[in-house]
This record gives sequence, structure tokens and C-alpha cells, in this order.
Amino acid sequence: DQQVKQNSPSLSVQEGRISILNCDYTNSMFDYFLWYKKYPAEGPTFLISISSIKDKNEDGRFTVFLNKSAKHLSLHIVPSQPGDSAVYFCAASGGTGGFKTIFGAGTRLFVKA
Amino acid sequence: DSGVTQTPKHLITATGQRVTLRCSPRSGDLSVYWYQQSLDQGLQFLIQYYNGEERAKGNILERFSAQQFPDLHSELNLSSLELGDSALYFCASSVISAGANVLTFGAGSRLTVL
Repeated sequence: DQQVKQNSPSLSVQEGRISILNCDYTNSMFDYFLWYKKYPAEGPTFLISISSIKDKNEDGRFTVFLNKSAKHLSLHIVPSQPGDSAVYFCAASGGTGGFKTIFGAGTRLFVKA
Repeated sequence: DSGVTQTPKHLITATGQRVTLRCSPRSGDLSVYWYQQSLDQGLQFLIQYYNGEERAKGNILERFSAQQFPDLHSELNLSSLELGDSALYFCASSVISAGANVLTFGAGSRLTVL
């Protein structure tokens, strides 16, 4: 049962443009949603989070939007930079799952110079 | 350096064998999480320990077991290994940040079963 889904395996964007990564979830009880970034040969690193009671959270070039009615969230990166090329994982936690964090399959972002 | 230490970085073994992966969480963190990432797949939650006790369990096979020791390091034991067990195994510890349970991952242990 995939509770967190990232339907786009990859995304290619030109440097300076906006990158939009999407994520859908099925469990309406999740309390928090998080994005992690992963470079090759490294573990995932935390990027940004959003509480289920908010619809937007911004941190520098990164903004996460949450649409609870659609059970959908997205990560916007503006402007995109070549160093942003990585795999991005959407994750969710809380609710009946407690501190267990469920991850999506990831989206590989390529930012072309 | 995330502060979460995993050993070994790479491990090659044969089917039917048994291996142990080791993790030390960041200093002061009481939780340890184990995740498996198979080829081109997401991170599958295996198990969580908090201060030595099992807190949550995911899709962990019966051939796999884990424990957290009094010094808070954790070991993941994988036995009767199969080809499909080849994967990256990540350990993480956590901290609460703005209410969210934020995981800090180690660099992973890459297991290859031949």
C-alpha cells in the first residue's frame, strides 16, 4: 500500500527556471510532510517541511505547497541551479503512524546549465 | 558529515549468508530508524528503536532483526540472504524541528548478495 506517491520518476529543467516536484498521499491522518534531497553516495538530507494545518512554507529558494482537499503537495525551487540536481523524496509522518516516516519513490531532478 | 555513522560502507556476500550492519546515531539522539532502498525504489521503512526499545515496525522480513544497545548504537542483522536483499540500507536518527520529526541519515551500507 503506497501511502505516498511520486508519479514522476524524473524531471529536467533549465537553470534559472522553476522546478516543480509533485507528491500525492492517501492517508489524511498525516501530521507533517517533508522533502528530502539525496545526492549519489550520500544519505538523504532534510530540505523543508510543512504542517498539515498550513498550506505553504517557504525557505529561501524552496517553497512547499499543501492542498489537503486534493491530498497533494508540491515543492517549488526558484530559481533552479545545477547544484539542485539530485533525487527528491517526499515523505509524510504522524497521525496513527506516530513517528514512522513514509517515503515516496523519489523524483530525479536534472537542472541543465 | 551528518553525525550518523554506518559501517560497513560496502559489503559483498553470498546467498544464504548472514551479515550485520551497524549504526551509531548522532550524539544525544535516542532514536534509530532503519530503511531499505532497493534499486530505483523509494526508502522502505524497516524498524525504529527509541532508547533501546522497539517503537515501530514496518515491512521488515522475519529473516531480518535489529536491536539498539545501551550505548544507543544499533545493529541490523540480515540472515539467509537472498539475491533480492541486495540494496542500500540506511540508518537515521531524528530530532523534532518545528513539530516535525526530521530524520538525519547516515551515508548508507550497500549490500550486494551474489
